[in-house]
Amino acid sequence: IAGITQAPTSQILAAGRRMTLRCTQDMRHNAMYWYRQDLGLGLRLIHYSNTAGTTGKGEVPDGYSVSRANTDDFPLTLASAVPSQTSVYFCASSDGTGGNNEQFFGPGTRLTVL
Amino acid sequence: GQNIDQPTEMTATEGAIVQINCTYQTSGFNGLFWYQQHAGEAPTFLSYNVLDGLEEKGRFSSFLSRSKGYSYLLLKELQMKDSASYLCAFKGGDYKLSFGAGTTVTVRA
Repeated sequence: IAGITQAPTSQILAAGRRMTLRCTQDMRHNAMYWYRQDLGLGLRLIHYSNTAGTTGKGEVPDGYSVSRANTDDFPLTLASAVPSQTSVYFCASSDGTGGNNEQFFGPGTRLTVL
Repeated sequence: GQNIDQPTEMTATEGAIVQINCTYQTSGFNGLFWYQQHAGEAPTFLSYNVLDGLEEKGRFSSFLSRSKGYSYLLLKELQMKDSASYLCAFKGGDYKLSFGAGTTVTVRA
């Protein structure tokens, strides 16, 4: 069982380019999340999806978009990358959104925008 | 508003005990989580508290006081492999996690 996978592992991108980060889980979890992690700031929620077909905005959604066409996949797209989007991106999933539903994290994508 | 604070760094000796404190402010509360994150890796779940008191799980224990907006993670019998960042996070009224910046624990021989 793979759990939750992300691709690519790392990427260097020129500013202005479009980029999609991929996330796939095989746990049949209903909810999925995208976070960015920056030194000194901790994990910040970008977008989330409580169930397939629905998405919502997190704390820092500007410059990012997501889609949830099915249960397993939750891609994150940067339409026109900027240097401030240089970060480590983590995808996560949980069985539900209730209080005790822990989130499982993918291995992360390290993105550098030049 | 929502806010969460924890110390940036802590150092302890192998075999010792370390307590990582976390304070938070939120208008709605649905639980307090602790995650462990080794350098370059994904966060992994350690503990969940929703009621006041101590939850013990092997060498790790987590405490919650909802009235004080306070939690701590206690690591006993420290091992070198416990060197990692420990993330405190609360689940707010919207059922979304808000994370602290993390506490980097260094275990020395």
